[in-house]
Amino acid sequence: DTGVSQDPRHKITKRGQNVTFRCDPISEHNRLYWYRQTLGQGPEFLTYFQNEAQLEKSRLLSDRFSAERPKGSFSTLEIQRTEQGDSAMYLCASSLGVEQFFGPGTRLTVL
Amino acid sequence: AQSVTQLDSQVPVFEEAPVELRCNYSSSVSVYLFWYVQYPNQGLQLLLKYLSGSTLVKGINGFEAEFNKSQTSFHLRKPSVHISDTAEYFCASYTDKLIFGTGTRLQVFP
Repeated sequence: DTGVSQDPRHKITKRGQNVTFRCDPISEHNRLYWYRQTLGQGPEFLTYFQNEAQLEKSRLLSDRFSAERPKGSFSTLEIQRTEQGDSAMYLCASSLGVEQFFGPGTRLTVL
Repeated sequence: AQSVTQLDSQVPVFEEAPVELRCNYSSSVSVYLFWYVQYPNQGLQLLLKYLSGSTLVKGINGFEAEFNKSQTSFHLRKPSVHISDTAEYFCASYTDKLIFGTGTRLQVFP
């Protein structure tokens, strides 16, 4: 069991570009969560999947954000037309029950 | 709606001293409560959790927390801290997703 992995670990992009992040959960976990953490704040919930179904989306998730989990395994989070306010750490977590296991995060910097 | 409040944004303490990091929650339903630690540029690591049963919960690295339903609190304690405990600590509540507090930065000085 290698834990939750995220790729890339760091991403620098220019405003207006699209970016995509990947999360690979612990293999037997059926739930997968995305959170966003800005500097000096706690993580904020964005969305979660149970298997391939996206069950809840936060109001923080604007139309420029989309997440998928096509086969109920890995997930992608895409941000279109990035803005400077999107700069943050994007955390992925997976779970089988209540306890969530976090990946190392992807740090996005939008210039 | 559930929410979590961490009353102290920073807690400075000398090595080997005791420490308490405060957390209060609000929820209209029963919640599960967690404490996570985050080291610089890393993800979150679970310290301990309260799901049910004994209100005193022991976790990793010598940390413990007490669930107090009447005061809606879940304070984190350690009797003697080390330099290596310097990190950001987050309290969180869970119903179908985690709701985090804003974090407490524990700074341990030699």
